[in-house]
Amino acid sequence: GDSVTQMEGPVTLSEEAFLTINCTYTATGYPSLFWYVQYPGEGLQLLLKATKADDKGSNKGFEATYRKETTSFHLEKGSVQVSDSAVYFCALSDNAGNMLTFGGGTRLMVKP
Amino acid sequence: SQTIHQWPATLVQPVGSPLSLECTVEGTSNPNLYWYRQAAGRGLQLLFYSVGIGQISSEVPQNLSASRPQDRQFILSSKKLLLSDSGFYLCAWRFSAGANVLTFGAGSRLTVL
Repeated sequence: GDSVTQMEGPVTLSEEAFLTINCTYTATGYPSLFWYVQYPGEGLQLLLKATKADDKGSNKGFEATYRKETTSFHLEKGSVQVSDSAVYFCALSDNAGNMLTFGGGTRLMVKP
Repeated sequence: SQTIHQWPATLVQPVGSPLSLECTVEGTSNPNLYWYRQAAGRGLQLLFYSVGIGQISSEVPQNLSASRPQDRQFILSSKKLLLSDSGFYLCAWRFSAGANVLTFGAGSRLTVL
């Protein structure tokens, strides 16, 4: 079945550091890929998405590129802020779009 | 615009007691609805999803059940809670066709003592 693997956290960075959170997936066909963010005590919010190979999703300074050849969708941000501290989830949607499969989440802590 | 509501936000229940978590969506018709669980320090586990009234698909055999008595209402239940049922429960919805983006509720934190 479909699966998503994320780097384990926590990831601890200083403010203005460069961020990469790795995500790889296993799926049949051509899934859509997502990054969701969960701030403390809240539900998940969609951060960005990409629906086909080589698409780049971007939002709030974060970006991720759908790489079919490496089955990856790594999340990057050039300069993180304390307010970016949260748990980040990579996910994929099956071809029918009925279900999202999530990775285990990566906790990011940004220190001032 | 569409909104999703979950309640209660927090719940502390003794082992063996029943559970009912409710989720409603406003501003759309015939949404796909989902229940996920997030155990402490772990990822998201899909528990149930529904593509229509009375249609429930279970992803994981467990102590829980789900029902969809109305188009925009999704209920998560248990007759007898276990300690292992503790966690953060998230309801989500998406349009039944087109964009496959899930929108989540704020979550319900359940502690079973």
